[in-house]
Amino acid sequence: DIQMTQSPSSLSASVGDRVTFTCRASQHISRYLNWYQQKPGKAPSLLISAASSLQSAVPSRFFGSGSGTDFTLTISSLQPEDFATYYCQQSYSGPYTFGLGTNLEIK
Amino acid sequence: QVQLQESGPGLVKPSQTLSLTCTVSGGSISSGGYYWSWIRQHPGKGLEWIGYISYSGNTYFTPSLKSRVTMSVDTSKNQFSLKLNSVTAADTAVYFCARTNSGWYYFDYWGQGTLVTVSS
Repeated sequence: DIQMTQSPSSLSASVGDRVTFTCRASQHISRYLNWYQQKPGKAPSLLISAASSLQSAVPSRFFGSGSGTDFTLTISSLQPEDFATYYCQQSYSGPYTFGLGTNLEIK
Repeated sequence: QVQLQESGPGLVKPSQTLSLTCTVSGGSISSGGYYWSWIRQHPGKGLEWIGYISYSGNTYFTPSLKSRVTMSVDTSKNQFSLKLNSVTAADTAVYFCARTNSGWYYFDYWGQGTLVTVSS
């Protein structure tokens, strides 16, 4: 299985901050990397597919980049509704695996 | 707008079979370009993809659960189902159903999730 490692595991930030999360795959996955946001008690929501393709209705302050094994998700200016847990998921080969998540908390 | 809704017992006894159904609305389960997945999340933990089924019944399961998992689809009801047999406490989790893009294998629509507890 392809292992996905996210860092940091948690992050404290303030409204208006710029934050970056990283996700590393244990082997090459091209651009088959997707990002999800999950709020407590809710299902994950797809933010970005194929490393950098923003889903419709997702604000443009979210930006994904990377290819191969290293990927980043950047939020350019945090809004109150952005405090959540973020997961990456590789879809290069099955079984499709997720990272353990980055918990973004309000400072 | 596609919507998915899980249903099934919230409590299952050890060694028995967990059975869940996902009802899809706002779109046909038979429409091309998608698979239909089950994903679970252990309490306070990360996400684990269980497997998917196509509208024609083709399946692919994660190897760690393959021996215990069955999936089926009922296109007439726009539903797909999960069965997980010989459950233990380790199968206690929130179970999500999700639409899966068949080219890039991302999950673009999710059900709200249902908690299944394995306990006697």
